[in-house]
Amino acid sequence: ETGVTQTPRHLVMGMTNKKSLKCEQHLGHNAMYWYKQSAKKPLELMFVYSLEERVENNSVPSRFSPECPNSSHLFLHLHTLQPEDSALYLCASSQHRGLAGAPYEQYFGPGTRLTVT
Amino acid sequence: KNQVEQSPQSLIILEGKNCTLQCNYTVSPFSNLRWYKQDTGRGPVSLTIMTFSENTKSNGRYTATLDADTKQSSLHITASQLSDSASYICVVSASAAGNKLTFGGGTRVLVKP
Repeated sequence: ETGVTQTPRHLVMGMTNKKSLKCEQHLGHNAMYWYKQSAKKPLELMFVYSLEERVENNSVPSRFSPECPNSSHLFLHLHTLQPEDSALYLCASSQHRGLAGAPYEQYFGPGTRLTVT
Repeated sequence: KNQVEQSPQSLIILEGKNCTLQCNYTVSPFSNLRWYKQDTGRGPVSLTIMTFSENTKSNGRYTATLDADTKQSSLHITASQLSDSASYICVVSASAAGNKLTFGGGTRVLVKP
C-alpha cells in the first residue's frame, strides 16, 4: 500500500465523453502530480500542484483539466479525448518541492488505465 | 537537453542468476538519481535514491551504483527471483528548476524459472 489511491483503475471512454480521474493521498504530503505513461515511452509529467497551486503545466492539451481542491485530492477532468490519449495515468505525491539538492521521495498510485475509443 | 538513456530495453534471465541494468544521463546540474521498480499495471515504487556524494546504495538484493563523473549508474540484481520481473526505471533530478525529474524509458526484466 503506497498511501496513494486512484480511481477508477480502468476506464474506457468515447471521444465525445467527459470523465474524471481521481487521486487521493493519505501521506500528509503537500505536492501532487499527474503523469502520463504511454507504451514504450518514458513517463511524461503533465501537471504539478504544490500547496494546492498549480506550479507546472507541461504543454498539455486543454482537453486535460486538472483540479486540486485540497492537499489530499487531485482530479484530472477529461473531455473530447483522442485515441492517442490512451495510456496509463499515474498520480504521485511528495512533500513540497523545494530545496534544491534535497531529494524528496515521490510516491505513486497504481494508475488509471485509460482507453479512448 | 536533459536526457536519461537506459539499456538494455529488455532482458530475460533465469531465476537465481544476477543481472545488471545501465543508465546514462545528461541531466545538469545533477541533484540525485533514483531507481524505481514498476510491476505490470501498478505505479513505480522507489528502490534507491543517491545524491552526488554517494557511489553505491543497496536495498536488499538490489544494489545501485553511481559515477557522477561519467554520468552513469547501474542497478545490480542479485540472485533474481520471479517477483523481480518488472520494469526498472532510472530517474535523474536536476537541482535547478525545482528538482525536476527526467525519466528513462525503463528496462523490462523477465525472470524465468
